[in-house]
Amino acid sequence: EAGVTQFPSHSVIEKGQTVTLRCDPISGHDNLYWYRRVMGKEIKFLLHFVKESKQDESGMPNNRFLAERTGGTYSTLKVQPAELEDSGVYFCASSQSPGNSPLHFGNGTRLTVT
Amino acid sequence: QKEVEQNSGPLSVPEGAIASLNCTYSDQGSQSFFWYRQYSGKSPELIMFIYSNGDKEDGRFTAQLNKASQYVSLLIRDSQPSDSATYLCAVDRGSTLGRLYFGRGTQLTVWP
Repeated sequence: EAGVTQFPSHSVIEKGQTVTLRCDPISGHDNLYWYRRVMGKEIKFLLHFVKESKQDESGMPNNRFLAERTGGTYSTLKVQPAELEDSGVYFCASSQSPGNSPLHFGNGTRLTVT
Repeated sequence: QKEVEQNSGPLSVPEGAIASLNCTYSDQGSQSFFWYRQYSGKSPELIMFIYSNGDKEDGRFTAQLNKASQYVSLLIRDSQPSDSATYLCAVDRGSTLGRLYFGRGTQLTVWP
C-alpha cells in the first residue's frame, strides 16, 4: 500500500510569489488533513477534508492560504502571495475514519520563503 | 498554556536502558493519545496510541495514561541506537474529528 505522498519535497520561493503544494492520500482514505510546522514550534493543524468537503478549516492562518480537494482524491494547498512567516514544513495526513483510526503522514514539503 | 507540553530534551540514554518520555495536556476532555516517532526529514510515524487509563504495551514500547493527572508517557525498553529520533506526543480532544494537537517533541539519542 502506497503511503501519503507529497510534492514537492522542497520549495524555495521569494516573498510575494505563489506556491502550490500537492498531497496524494492513501487510497480509500476519505479524511485528509493539512498540518504545518514552523521552525521551533509544534506541528499545528490547518484544515480537514472529508472527501471533497472542508470539514474544519479553523487552523488556516489567513486568506492567503487556499486548499482544495477536487473529486475527493488529491489535495492542493496554495499560498498566494507568500510571506516570510509562511516558511516551514507542510505535512499532509490521511485516515479512513476520523477519531478512531490513526493519521498517516506524508514526508512533508519544506517551504522556504526568502 | 499550551495544549500539549513535552520536555524538548535532548534525552540521552545508553543502549539497553529504558527511555522515558513524558507529555501533559491541558484539555480535560481529551480522549485519544498518540505517540509518533519522527526521524529527521521524514514523516511522523505512529508507534503507539492509547485511549484508556493505565498501561498499553506493544513490544518494547509501553504507553501510560493518567487522565486525572492529564499525563501520558512512553517507555522504551532495551533502547537501541535506531530509536534515536524525535518523539511527538499528540492528543485528540474527541470533539474535533481527528484533529490532533501536538507537543514540540522530545529528541531522544540512544548511544551505543
